[in-house]
Amino acid sequence: QVQLVQSGAEVKKPGASVKVSCKASGYTFTNYGISWVRQAPGQGLEWMGWISAYNGNTNYTQKLQGRVTMTTDTSTSTAYMELRSLRSDDTAVFYCARTTRYYYDRRGYYLPEINDAFDIWGQGTMVTVSS
Amino acid sequence: QSVLTQPPSVSGAPGQRVTISCTGSSSNIGTNYDVHWYQQVPGTAPKLLIYGNSNRPSGVPDRFSGSKSGTSASLAITGPQAEDEADYYCQSYDSSLRGWVFGGGTKLTVL
Repeated sequence: QVQLVQSGAEVKKPGASVKVSCKASGYTFTNYGISWVRQAPGQGLEWMGWISAYNGNTNYTQKLQGRVTMTTDTSTSTAYMELRSLRSDDTAVFYCARTTRYYYDRRGYYLPEINDAFDIWGQGTMVTVSS
Repeated sequence: QSVLTQPPSVSGAPGQRVTISCTGSSSNIGTNYDVHWYQQVPGTAPKLLIYGNSNRPSGVPDRFSGSKSGTSASLAITGPQAEDEADYYCQSYDSSLRGWVFGGGTKLTVL
């Protein structure tokens, strides 16, 4: 079945970096994009950024520009999210989610469908930042 | 402060109809971007509930329905069940921010 399986919980000190993985199975990885979403304790969902599994293009929220890097390894159908210079307010559950199926538009361009929902979610990875 | 505005909480009894509003602006919902809804039971990952404003994925009960008009969208639950107690989030794309945005979430309590 279609699923995303994330890496396990992490505990980091302020100033450190964390890299979370998200392994896809059950579908053609390069036909979609992956978004990353975080949720601080007791708070709502916050979109962090998106990466195309087709060509590696990225789009990060301005709030995290310079601190976040998203990558993919198409040989293993795995997406990665690295967050640097961690602070205590980065403590959150981090989710990956499948979105933006690629399609050919009427001009023949192969594009991501930005109207797509986040239809498959990973189980979440808890990252705790504490001294 | 979320780009999409939802009420913090709603409640209703089985047999009633509960609605959750999601108010956006001309750069997201009002620009013809689709609205999607997610259900999140505490301690679990969000689950897609409604996509493309009003479509239910396979397996979602038909007591859940969605609609969109202008710069707002709504999720309706007709006859909420105890298992529907959860947090609900709306989501869309924002052309000004050039990214996806979520509502702040609404907690549903079934009386």
